[in-house]
Amino acid sequence: NAGVTQTPKFQVLKTGQSMTLQCAQDMNHEYMSWYRQDPGMGLRLIHYSVGAGITDQGEVPNGYNVSRSTTEDFPLRLLSAAPSQTSVYFCASRRDRSIGELFFGEGSRLTVL
Amino acid sequence: RKEVEQDPGPFNVPEGATVAFNCTYSNSASQSFFWYRQDCRKEPKLLMSVYSSGNEDGRFTAQLNRASQYISLLIRDSKLSDSATYLCVVNPNNDMRFGAGTRLTVKP
Repeated sequence: NAGVTQTPKFQVLKTGQSMTLQCAQDMNHEYMSWYRQDPGMGLRLIHYSVGAGITDQGEVPNGYNVSRSTTEDFPLRLLSAAPSQTSVYFCASRRDRSIGELFFGEGSRLTVL
Repeated sequence: RKEVEQDPGPFNVPEGATVAFNCTYSNSASQSFFWYRQDCRKEPKLLMSVYSSGNEDGRFTAQLNRASQYISLLIRDSKLSDSATYLCVVNPNNDMRFGAGTRLTVKP
């Protein structure tokens, strides 16, 4: 069972570069989200989507864009990478729009130099 | 003030000990509550949901106090395999807010 798949697992960027973190789920989940995890801060919500064509901002959306053109995919775009975006990024999904267990991908470790 | 606050620990306990973690949340509109477990360098995984009346799953007991906006997790008879970080999670809207986690190490 694939579940939630994130790529790449590791990435090093230079300041100012752009990139896209890919996330796909094969469980037909309505809700998908992106979190970043930093030491001592816990997971912070970047953006989320309650269905195809619908996205919304979380706690820390600045510097990131998302789109949800299909139910399966929810890519996260870094527009112009900054060292403050060095973090571990997790994609997560759940079946229902507003409640239920979150299933996480394995994480993407990003370093911005 | 953080929306979800936890004692970061670390908690270092011997095998067989009972350990309790606490969590407070600020948004009184929160409707659902969870404990997740995260192993080192891994993704978080659901440990258990927290219900208003309190609930138990084997050695794990979760309690919710809505009036005090407080959640707890009790682990009895700790095992080496319980070593992990435990994340308190609340769900005020469509999103879910995580505490920074409490780290537990169970030693032989």
